[in-house]
Amino acid sequence: AQTVTQSQPEMSVQEAETVTLSCTYDTSESNYYLFWYKQPPSRQMILVIRQEAYKQQNATENRFSVNFQKAAKSFSLKISDSQLGDTAMYFCAFRHYGQNFVFGPGTRLSVLP
Amino acid sequence: SQTIHQWPATLVQPVGSPLSLECTVEGTSNPNLYWYRQAAGRGLQLLFYSIGIDQISSEVPQNLSASRPQDRQFILSSKKLLLSDSGFYLCAWSVRLGEAGELFFGEGSRLTVL
Repeated sequence: AQTVTQSQPEMSVQEAETVTLSCTYDTSESNYYLFWYKQPPSRQMILVIRQEAYKQQNATENRFSVNFQKAAKSFSLKISDSQLGDTAMYFCAFRHYGQNFVFGPGTRLSVLP
Repeated sequence: SQTIHQWPATLVQPVGSPLSLECTVEGTSNPNLYWYRQAAGRGLQLLFYSIGIDQISSEVPQNLSASRPQDRQFILSSKKLLLSDSGFYLCAWSVRLGEAGELFFGEGSRLTVL
């Protein structure tokens, strides 16, 4: 069975600095998709970034980028120039082609002024 | 554009009472629909998913049930709530045929069973 691990339950970062959230996953499949979701306090969960496993190039969305290491089964999220609005729970998720999503336990990120 | 709404946002219910949480998607057809539960400070547990009307799959045995009476309506129910049913419930949808499709989440419903 696929599993997703986020080894950092909580993290904090100073405003304007860079932070990296870790995620590892376990699968025997070769075709799959990886996602990072953000859940701000008392607000809706939204997609931050996604990565297709067959693509070697790391995905980037403005201040958010990933470091996808397929052989190591690692999918970390880097947030550059952190802003107060980045304070949220961040969930790493895995989805094999045609199957349901598997979520990690989440990392609570606090951006400090 | 597509939207998803779920309600009520907050619910406080006594043990043994019934439950009905409703979710509606607009702006798309034939979506996959999901109910997740999120315990405090923890990840998401998939409860039910549906690929079509009256086609419901349950991921874990529990005190809850789900129904999909219409293409874009998904309902989470219980006949008698337990204390352990307390939590944050999220409805979500994804494109049915798009295997790379992301999940789009509703605003969530916080249930407290007393």
